[in-house]
Amino acid sequence: GESVGLHLPTLSVQEGDNSIINCAYSNSASDYFIWYKQESGKGPQFIIDIRSNMDKRQGQRVTVLLNKTVKHLSLQIAATQPGDSAVYFCAEDYNKLIFGAGTRLAVHP
Amino acid sequence: SQTIHQWPATLVQPVGSPLSLECTVEGTSNPNLYWYRQAAGRGLQLLFYSVGIGQISSEVPQNLSASRPQDRQFILSSKKLLLSDSGFYLCAWSVRLMRDEQFFGPGTRLTVL
Repeated sequence: GESVGLHLPTLSVQEGDNSIINCAYSNSASDYFIWYKQESGKGPQFIIDIRSNMDKRQGQRVTVLLNKTVKHLSLQIAATQPGDSAVYFCAEDYNKLIFGAGTRLAVHP
Repeated sequence: SQTIHQWPATLVQPVGSPLSLECTVEGTSNPNLYWYRQAAGRGLQLLFYSVGIGQISSEVPQNLSASRPQDRQFILSSKKLLLSDSGFYLCAWSVRLMRDEQFFGPGTRLTVL
C-alpha cells in the first residue's frame, strides 16, 4: 500500500483509551475546518467538520475542538479501537482547502 | 449515493513516458473536481480543480495537465514524466467550490523509474 505517513509524528495509544490529535492551522481568517482519516493505500475519509462560529462539535465517538485564539484544532477519539489506526490530518478552508501533513495514530491491544 | 473512482490503482512508468490518470464520479451532477498529489509524509498538494466541462484551473506550475471532457470525468496527464512526478494522486469532488467537505477517490500510486 501507499506509504503515506512516513516520518509523521506518531501517537501511540492503548485500545480503549481516549486519543487526542492536535493541529495548528495557519490562517486566522479560515472559517471551515475538516478532519480526515487516511488508512494506508486509501484516499482520505471525512470524519467531522466544524465552522468558525463554533468551538466544539461532536460526532459518533469523535469530538472536534476549535480554539481560534491560538489557531488550534483538536480531534478527540473516545474509546480508541484498532480500526482507528490511520493517519489523521486537518484541513482549513482559506480560499481553498489547505491540508496539514498529518499525525499517525497507532492503537495497541 | 455518490461514488468516485480512480484508475489505475498503481502505475509504474519510465521517465519520459506519457501519463493518463482517470477519475469519474457517479451519483451527482456538476461536481467540482480536484486533483491532489500526496508525497510520503506530506500533506495534500492541490494540483488542479475544475468547476465544469472544459474549465481547468492550475494551482502550481508543473509537468502535468488536466482535462474535463465530460461533467463527471477528470483526467490528469503528462506528455513526459519526470522522476519527481512519483507520488500518490488523489481525485476529489465537492458540491461547492473549495467551501465544502471534499470526497476523495481511492488514489493512484505512481512510481516513475
